[in-house]
Amino acid sequence: DAGVTQSPTHLIKTRGQQVTLRCSPKSGHDTVSWYQQALGQGPQFIFQYYEEEERQRGNFPDRFSGHQFPNYSSELNVNALLLGDSALYLCASAPGALYNSPLHFGNGTRLTVT
Amino acid sequence: AQSVTQLDSQVPVFEEAPVELRCNYSSSVSVYLFWYVQYPNQGLQLLLKYLSGSTLVKGINGFEAEFNKSQTSFHLRKPSVHISDTAEYFCAVREYNNNDMRFGAGTRLTVKP
Repeated sequence: DAGVTQSPTHLIKTRGQQVTLRCSPKSGHDTVSWYQQALGQGPQFIFQYYEEEERQRGNFPDRFSGHQFPNYSSELNVNALLLGDSALYLCASAPGALYNSPLHFGNGTRLTVT
Repeated sequence: AQSVTQLDSQVPVFEEAPVELRCNYSSSVSVYLFWYVQYPNQGLQLLLKYLSGSTLVKGINGFEAEFNKSQTSFHLRKPSVHISDTAEYFCAVREYNNNDMRFGAGTRLTVKP
């Protein structure tokens, strides 16, 4: 039973470029959340997708956008990259849209912006 | 909005000694509480969760935590640590009506031989 898988594992981009990160949820899970983890900090909530719609968004600018596909997989897009976007981006999935469901995390995508 | 404070950024301890990692939260509504562990170059793995009921919850790898509503705390404990417990530990809180799970800044547990 595959857990949450993310691709790519590492990515290097230049300021101003755009990036797309991908996530496949754990089998049986239909809710996907994205988190940004800066070096030495805890993860910060970007947004959550359920039934192909963004259910809730954290305090991130519109440069961060996402999508969820009918097979529950998801993409995170970041436009006009800034140096401060360098971080580990974590995808997490859960079964259903219940607030008490623990999140299952992937190993993340390490994004470096130069 | 909810917030989490992990009171120790680093906790060094010798192998087979007990350990407590402290976590306090703030919220105006009822919450769900979680502890996650992160090993180098990996994602977060759930250690344990408090949803309701008994305030003492047991998790994987011999860890346990106690929910104290009056002190708004959820401290993580293990009676005897191993070298393999060396990792970053995150406390997280989620309000009943909120999809935003808030994480603390983490506590780096280092177990020395």
